[in-house]
Amino acid sequence: AQSVTQLDSQVPVFEEAPVELRCNYSSSVSVYLFWYVQYPNQGLQLLLKYLSGSTLVKGINGFEAEFNKSQTSFHLRKPSVHISDTAEYFCAVTWDSSYKLIFGSGTRLLVRP
Amino acid sequence: DTGVSQDPRHKITKRGQNVTFRCDPISEHNRLYWYRQTLGQGPEFLTYFQNEAQLEKSRLLSDRFSAERPKGSFSTLEIQRTEQGDSAMYLCASSLGMNYTFGSGTRLTVV
Repeated sequence: AQSVTQLDSQVPVFEEAPVELRCNYSSSVSVYLFWYVQYPNQGLQLLLKYLSGSTLVKGINGFEAEFNKSQTSFHLRKPSVHISDTAEYFCAVTWDSSYKLIFGSGTRLLVRP
Repeated sequence: DTGVSQDPRHKITKRGQNVTFRCDPISEHNRLYWYRQTLGQGPEFLTYFQNEAQLEKSRLLSDRFSAERPKGSFSTLEIQRTEQGDSAMYLCASSLGMNYTFGSGTRLTVV
């Protein structure tokens, strides 16, 4: 069965510092990978997704992620974070013949001034 | 297009009561999903529809839960005889291919 692991439940970082949020997946088939952001009491907003092609994916708000098939990872990065990036971030996976998204447990990014 | 709409945004109910939530997907999307999210956790898959057919139900979906999508349009999620453990955010999403859109959710509080 497919699964997603986000090992870091919370990542504190100072404003303007770089950040990496880790995501690892487990699957016996080819997958499609997503990163979502959730602000308090709101739904999920898509940051970026990997479907095929270039393994480096650029998304909104300056975020990017790299798909690494050998390490089964899809880590999210931003070179310089802002206070407004404070939110919960979720990695998700799906695959052909399913289409349902399976989510990780989330990482809370806390940006401090 | 106004995106995925969920109604109500908040629902407080007494234990044992029945509740029903509604989701209006993006009209061009053929798939519709329900998720449950508790505090500090990622969304957990409950069920999904392709057009009007319910194709998969999670084991999380007990007999007290039922979902429908008549005519492949809007969907409803009903919880019968609510329990305190049902308190959560219920998220709806729709998709066409790999383009997913989530609603803002319905927050259920069972007292």
